[in-house]
Amino acid sequence: GDSVTQMEGPVTLSEEAFLTINCTYTATGYPSLFWYVQYPGEGLQLLLKATKADDKGSNKGFEATYRKETTSFHLEKGSVQVSDSAVYFCALSVGPSGTYKYIFGTGTRLKVLA
Amino acid sequence: DTGVSQDPRHKITKRGQNVTFRCDPISEHNRLYWYRQTLGQGPEFLTYFQNEAQLEKSRLLSDRFSAERPKGSFSTLEIQRTEQGDSAMYLCASSSEAGEAFFGQGTRLTVV
Repeated sequence: GDSVTQMEGPVTLSEEAFLTINCTYTATGYPSLFWYVQYPGEGLQLLLKATKADDKGSNKGFEATYRKETTSFHLEKGSVQVSDSAVYFCALSVGPSGTYKYIFGTGTRLKVLA
Repeated sequence: DTGVSQDPRHKITKRGQNVTFRCDPISEHNRLYWYRQTLGQGPEFLTYFQNEAQLEKSRLLSDRFSAERPKGSFSTLEIQRTEQGDSAMYLCASSSEAGEAFFGQGTRLTVV
């Protein structure tokens, strides 16, 4: 079945460090790919998305490129801030060939130290 | 529109009691999803509606769980005869035909 695998955390970085959170997926159709972020005490928020191969999603300095050949959607940011501390979830959605439900990874906790 | 709204935000119940949660999606969204999230895990899919039709249910959704979306607008999720293992955050999300899912703040259920 469809699934998402992302690197385990926690990831601890110093402010201004480079961030990579790995995400790979398995899907029977052609999924759309997403990164969601969950700040402490808050709900899930969409961070960025990509709907087809080679698309790059970007938002708030974060980027991820849809790589069909490696079935990956790694999240990157060039210079993290303390305010980026949160849990990051990679997700896919398959449709219209699928049911449009979203399948999430287990999440990666990021802690950024000042 | 203020986004996806869930009520209540917190619920503490005794084992064996029934509970019902409500979700109000973004008004123009025809798709509505329910998820469950436990500590340290990603959201797990429970069920999905397109308008009033329930199109898919996860195997996680035992017979004690039922969801409705009677007029294709708000939805309810009921858990009968709650068990301690039902303690979790229950998340609702909605989306349009071609858009991404927007999530509510969730209802945190604690079964004691």
